[in-house]
Amino acid sequence: GENVEQHPSTLSVQEGDSAVIKCTYSDSASNYFPWYKQELGKRPQLIIDIRSNVGEKKDQRIAVTLNKTAKHFSLHITETQPEDSAVYFCAASGSNYQLIWGAGTKLIIKP
Amino acid sequence: EAGVTQSPTHLIKTRGQQATLRCSPISGHTSVYWYQQALGLGLQFLLWYDEGEERNRGNFPPRFSGRQFPNYSSELNVNALELEDSALYLCASRIGLGHYEQYFGPGTRLTVT
Repeated sequence: GENVEQHPSTLSVQEGDSAVIKCTYSDSASNYFPWYKQELGKRPQLIIDIRSNVGEKKDQRIAVTLNKTAKHFSLHITETQPEDSAVYFCAASGSNYQLIWGAGTKLIIKP
Repeated sequence: EAGVTQSPTHLIKTRGQQATLRCSPISGHTSVYWYQQALGLGLQFLLWYDEGEERNRGNFPPRFSGRQFPNYSSELNVNALELEDSALYLCASRIGLGHYEQYFGPGTRLTVT
């Protein structure tokens, strides 16, 4: 069946350093890959997404890369700040516009 | 533009009771998804409604059910509540064909005692 694996489950980085979260998907037909950020006690919010016809997309300090051949995509956060502390979810599009979700990564920014 | 809204914010029920949770999608959105998020864990897909019809359901027992109304709002019903049903229930809406983006509501925290 359709599956998305996300690693690591917890990531602790020093403030100012970079963080990278990786996801692997199983359905070669997937063509949309969003990333959501969920701060403690809040709703998941879409922070960046990429479609299969693009290899990389940037928005200020965050970027997403996609390797369709290897079926994996990654979220990169540079110059991490305390407000980046949250749980991050990746997802890949499945059949009928559904999203298949990764298990989440808890990002901890150490001061 | 108003976002996705959910009510109530918190709900406390006793084991064996029924719970009803409500969701109003973003204006113009026709699809509604329900997710269960147990404390500290991931998003478990429950149900998907589109244009008033149930389109898909996740790996949950039949006591989890719902419906979508003509105005595209939705309700989730959980019958015969069990302690392990305690979780945050999130609703998300999507605009419709050709779009994948889902926008989440703030959730309903259900506690079963």
